[in-house]
Amino acid sequence: DSGVTQTPKHLITATGQRVTLRCSPRSGDLSVYWYQQSLDQGLQFLIQYYNGEERAKGNILERFSAQQFPDLHSELNLSSLELGDSALYFCASSVGTAGPPTQYFGPGTRLTVL
Amino acid sequence: GDSVTQMEGPVTLSEEACLTINCTYTATGYPSLFWYVQYPGEGLQLLLKATKADDKGSNKGFEATYRKETTSFHLEKGSVQVSDSAVYFCALSLGAGSQGNLIFGKGTKLSVKP
Repeated sequence: DSGVTQTPKHLITATGQRVTLRCSPRSGDLSVYWYQQSLDQGLQFLIQYYNGEERAKGNILERFSAQQFPDLHSELNLSSLELGDSALYFCASSVGTAGPPTQYFGPGTRLTVL
Repeated sequence: GDSVTQMEGPVTLSEEACLTINCTYTATGYPSLFWYVQYPGEGLQLLLKATKADDKGSNKGFEATYRKETTSFHLEKGSVQVSDSAVYFCALSLGAGSQGNLIFGKGTKLSVKP
């Protein structure tokens, strides 16, 4: 158990809909990262928050957005969903204060868009 | 851009065989290097890491040495077990402290037969 929790575990929805994925980092970790894992693209970095502020952006679509709240949990919002958004979405956390940021991953949310 | 290339799988070995999974990287700076493992139906777990040239990361009988001259970080284990069956990801991070998303290779699936 990494100490990172993600809800829900599975999500099935229809094209055009909007969903919210939730992540709670390990106690004491200030950074939260979101990644998407799909068969064709592999594991791709989406976005990072550090202590409530956006710190880095990767291959995140404009239809996707995220935020980190004062209690440090984070939410990833996916809107106008398309079939191609079906994937595993992981969140990871790290202390984020010094040295190479070792990241600890949650169990993931599997999103299926029908 | 920065990238990680790892050997294509799947790799199928008999129990107690030797394992090597090749990983090479391209990076503009001096990255930290990681191996993560993903067991079926689970999230990613950090297996080992190395933060500078010639460092050796090790854990659970697995080893990898950061080779700057060949830009490589090959994963090795002398005697694999059935329980090592999983997907292995090589990754790099160019960040430190409050920033540092991971860039992953495509993963190598290992199956160990009894």
